[in-house]
Amino acid sequence: GENVEQHPSTLSVQEGDSAVIKCTYSDSASNYFPWYKQELGKRPQLIIDIRSNVGEKKDQRIAVTLNKTAKHFSLHITETQPEDSAVYFCAASSSFSGNTGKLIFGQGTTLQVKP
Amino acid sequence: NAGVTQTPKFRILKIGQSMTLQCTQDMNHNYMYWYRQDPGMGLKLIYYSVGAGITDKGEVPNGYNVSRSTTEDFPLRLELAAPSQTSVYFCASSSGTGLSNQPQHFGDGTRLSIL
Repeated sequence: GENVEQHPSTLSVQEGDSAVIKCTYSDSASNYFPWYKQELGKRPQLIIDIRSNVGEKKDQRIAVTLNKTAKHFSLHITETQPEDSAVYFCAASSSFSGNTGKLIFGQGTTLQVKP
Repeated sequence: NAGVTQTPKFRILKIGQSMTLQCTQDMNHNYMYWYRQDPGMGLKLIYYSVGAGITDKGEVPNGYNVSRSTTEDFPLRLELAAPSQTSVYFCASSSGTGLSNQPQHFGDGTRLSIL
């Protein structure tokens, strides 16, 4: 079945530096890739998503890139701030073969931004 | 607009007891999902539903049951609670259709301990 691998599991950066989190997926039919941020004790919240018909999407300090050939996608956070500290999850989904909207999540990356 | 509402927020159960975790959404979403998140881990899909009267198993359905009698409500039932079911349970919904995936919106979660 579908599998999503996420790296690294933990990431520590200095405030103002950039952070990059990478995910690979196994199902070539995957065509929707959201990223969620989860603060301690809170719900996962969508921060950005990308579909397979585009290679990059940006929203202020956050960007996501997608390489369909290599089956990997990455989250880029620039000018990191302490409030970016959280656990980030990537996910993948396919709308083919009887779409159910099911997401397969990566294992999560704990990002720590040091002031 | 409340979004996805889960009750209760916290619960302690004894081994062998039963309970129902409630989830309701006011966004008229067809798709709903139940996940569990063990400490320091990612999200595992328990059950999902693509519309009223339609449910199906996810990755970890054993020990759980669901029903979907209305578009708004998607309760999760634990029949014989076991310590392995100690976890945080998240309900989510999306407006996805058979043609395209849409973001999932999560509730605040139910923190369940089985002692």
